[in-house]
Amino acid sequence: AQSVTQPDIHITVSEGASLELRCNYSYGATPYLFWYVQSPGQGLQLLLKYFSGDTLVQGIKGFEAEFKRSQSSFNLRKPSVHWSDAAEYFCAVGARAGKSTFGDGTTLTVKP
Amino acid sequence: DAGITQSPRHKVTETGTPVTLRCHQTENHRYMYWYRQDPGHGLRLIHYSYGVKDTDKGEVSDGYSVSRSKTEDFLLTLESATSSQTSVYFCAIRTGLAGETGGNEQFFGPGTRLTVL
Repeated sequence: AQSVTQPDIHITVSEGASLELRCNYSYGATPYLFWYVQSPGQGLQLLLKYFSGDTLVQGIKGFEAEFKRSQSSFNLRKPSVHWSDAAEYFCAVGARAGKSTFGDGTTLTVKP
Repeated sequence: DAGITQSPRHKVTETGTPVTLRCHQTENHRYMYWYRQDPGHGLRLIHYSYGVKDTDKGEVSDGYSVSRSKTEDFLLTLESATSSQTSVYFCAIRTGLAGETGGNEQFFGPGTRLTVL
């Protein structure tokens, strides 16, 4: 069965600092991987996705993620965090049948 | 914007009463999903649909039923609500064709906050 682990429940960074959110997955074949962001009181918005090809994926709002098969990881990064990036972030792994499994989320707090 | 609306957006009900949540989409996507979101648990799949009258269970389906009589509407019913079903419920649609590379991303509705007293 597929699974996703986000080891960090809560991360705090200063505005302008770099950010890395960790995601580890378990899946029997080549995974479909996603990062979503959720602002308070809102639904989830897709940041980026990986299906195949280049292992470094660019997304919206200046985010990128790198797929590392050897480490079963898909970590999200941003070189310089803005106060508006404060939100909850979810990593997900998807199967061709369309059923996605989500991690428990990482809450990002941005200090001024 | 994938044209997904959910109704109601907020509901308070009492234990033992039936509750139906509605998800409506405007773009005729085949796949639709119901999730619940609880603190510390991320999103968990309740049921999903892959076409009119075609539905299947997710990982937390006990106590829930679904129906899809039209492409655009996916209903989630709690036959007899319990306090453990207090949660935020999200509907999602999946773009792309079944099995198509790149077709698995999901777009989410704004959510329904349900409180069962």
